[in-house]
Amino acid sequence: KQEVTQIPAALSVPEGENLVLNCSFTDSAIYNLQWFRQDPGKGLTSLLLIQSSQREQTSGRLNASLDKSSGRSTLYIAASQPGDSATYLCAVLTGTASKLTFGTGTRLQVTL
Amino acid sequence: GAVVSQHPSWVICKSGTSVKIECRSLDFQATTMFWYRQFPKQSLMLMATSNEGSKATYEQGVEKDKFLINHASLTLSTLTVTSAHPEDSSFYICSASRGEKLFFGSGTQLSVL
Repeated sequence: KQEVTQIPAALSVPEGENLVLNCSFTDSAIYNLQWFRQDPGKGLTSLLLIQSSQREQTSGRLNASLDKSSGRSTLYIAASQPGDSATYLCAVLTGTASKLTFGTGTRLQVTL
Repeated sequence: GAVVSQHPSWVICKSGTSVKIECRSLDFQATTMFWYRQFPKQSLMLMATSNEGSKATYEQGVEKDKFLINHASLTLSTLTVTSAHPEDSSFYICSASRGEKLFFGSGTQLSVL
């Protein structure tokens, strides 16, 4: 059974700081890994998707890396802004039928 | 990008009543939709996979007679929480697959009194 863990559970940083969010998964036989953003009481927004054959993906100030063999992924956020405050979820796609297993998330607070 | 609409955004109901949540893919056809549940400070947990024209596939521990799923068209899946109880209060969210990507609805906060 796939298990996904995210560390830290919560993080507070001052504006402008670079930060790293961590995600680990137990079963390395994944198809891809996605990072999502969730705002309170709202749905999910896909940020980055990394295929199992890829090592990293970049979008703007976000960079996600994937080390499938060790079961780890990181999301790097550069020059954080208060608008980045949200819960960040990683999810891995394993098996058939597009079954995603989500991590417990990291609640990020970027302060002024 | 693809849009998935979920309705209602929130609902408050009395214990024992049934609640229906709709999930629509607005600009694409989705043969497969997924329903998740999220309790406070916990991760999203897959409840069931909804396949157009066939019965839904439920995850272990999810009561199919309590959480009725109907996927009658390529753009609409519904989740009905039957005889809701306070322990069913949760955030329910749907997603629809388009290629290898999943697009999520905005979620429904259900509060059962």
